Amino acid sequence: GAVVSQHPSRVICKSGTSVKIECRSLDFQATTMFWYRQFPKQSLMLMATSNEGSKATYEQGVEKDKFLINHASLTLSTLTVTSAHPEDSSFYICSARTQGVNYGYTFGSGTRLTVV
Amino acid sequence: AQTVTQSQPEMSVQEAETVTLSCTYDTSESDYYLFWYKQPPSRQMILVIRQEAYKQQNATENRFSVNFQKAAKSFSLKISDSQLGDAAMYFCAYRSDYTGANSKLTFGKGITLSVRP
Repeated sequence: GAVVSQHPSRVICKSGTSVKIECRSLDFQATTMFWYRQFPKQSLMLMATSNEGSKATYEQGVEKDKFLINHASLTLSTLTVTSAHPEDSSFYICSARTQGVNYGYTFGSGTRLTVV
Repeated sequence: AQTVTQSQPEMSVQEAETVTLSCTYDTSESDYYLFWYKQPPSRQMILVIRQEAYKQQNATENRFSVNFQKAAKSFSLKISDSQLGDAAMYFCAYRSDYTGANSKLTFGKGITLSVRP
C-alpha cells in the first residue's frame, strides 16, 4: 500500500534555530500533501495544503513565513519551522492524498518537535 | 463550512464487548465522504473505515461497522468484540466531493477509547 515516510521522528532544537521536516511518498506520486499540527489529546489542526510545483495554501491564522512549505517534486514535501520558539513545540504530521480506485489519505508517522 | 462533532471525549469498553462511537456532521453538500481514523499511542494515523455518502449501504470492515444516517447527518462507528489493541484515539472526518475544496479532511475533536481487560 501507499506509504509516506516522515523524518525525523523526534527533534530537539534551540530557540531561534530552524528545523526541517521531510515527508516522502515511497511508492506513489503525492500531488497534494497536507500538513497538520497536533497537541496532546487533541485533534489534528490543518496548517497548510501543498500541491506539487505551486505555492502552499495556508489556513487562517498560520504564519506562512514561520512555517515554510516546499513541494518541489511529486515525492517530497518539506515543512521548515523557522526561528523556532518553545510555543512551536508540537507534533507535526503530514498526509498525502492517494488517487485512483483506492483513494484516500496516507499519513506520515509524525514528528515530535521540542524547542528549548 | 463543514463541521464534525464528536461530543464524547472518552469512552471505555470491556474486552470482547461492543462499543459505539458517535459522530455528527454539518454540511450543505449532498456528495461527500466520511472516515473514521484510529490513532494509537504510537500516534500513527490508521484508516479504520470510510463511507461514500451516495451509498446507502453501511460500510463494514471485519469487526468495525458504521451506522450512516444521511438525513440525520450522523456517522457512528461500532466496534464489535473489542480487543486491547483497539485502545486508541478515534477521529471522525469529513471530506467534500467538491474538487475546489482541495480534498482536505475536516476532523472531529476525537474520542479516547480505553479497553478494560
